[in-house]
Amino acid sequence: QSVLTQPPSVSAAPGQKVTISCSGSSSNVGKNYVSWYHQVPGTAPKLLIYDNDERPSGIPDRFSGSKSGTSATLGIAELQTGDEADYYCGTWDSSLSAVVFGGGTKLTVL
Amino acid sequence: QVLLVQSEAEIKKPGASVKVSCKASGYTFINYGFNWVRQAPGQGLEWMGWISSYNGYTHFAQKFQDRVTLTTDASTRTAYMELRSLRPDDTAVYYCAREFRDMDQVGFWGQGTLVSVSS
Repeated sequence: QSVLTQPPSVSAAPGQKVTISCSGSSSNVGKNYVSWYHQVPGTAPKLLIYDNDERPSGIPDRFSGSKSGTSATLGIAELQTGDEADYYCGTWDSSLSAVVFGGGTKLTVL
Repeated sequence: QVLLVQSEAEIKKPGASVKVSCKASGYTFINYGFNWVRQAPGQGLEWMGWISSYNGYTHFAQKFQDRVTLTTDASTRTAYMELRSLRPDDTAVYYCAREFRDMDQVGFWGQGTLVSVSS
């Protein structure tokens, strides 16, 4: 069981926007930066968002992040079939003294 | 650009040890530490620990602190993860991942190394 809670799956049509939630607690999401990762099955994860809402260079602005209290959200606009992947949130847990991840959300672009 | 290249897949017997390497390029090695993360087949990501490339300081997830050794070699720009007393449920893809800025955020990932444990 993951420390951070994500929906197992989300889906939307091409061109639409989807959001993926990441719920934690005051010891993790509530007090530390959240990152988001994108993983195509069989390949390594890739950093999409850091510091809650910042994009590394090369990540298009269709991807956005936000945080409020003990929850964080990843938004993906103008969905493309190439966005189909698993998405993970991650953060530091100050009680566990460990990096923790959500269980992952599988995005299907219908 | 940051590039992390890991060693090839390994097959081990229960009770054995495995050592995975991760060769880095594209940045100043000692400025950033390494996280190690594993992913069992069909499962999510599990953080194992972190090592400073500057001074070798390590920090582990409680689950792994007795079985994992992390090291770095600045002369070869390589990080290593050794896991001892392997069990079948250690079968997973093991990733090295350079910290983005500090140990709390994983930035750049290696391609992964599959470690299979079976008798």
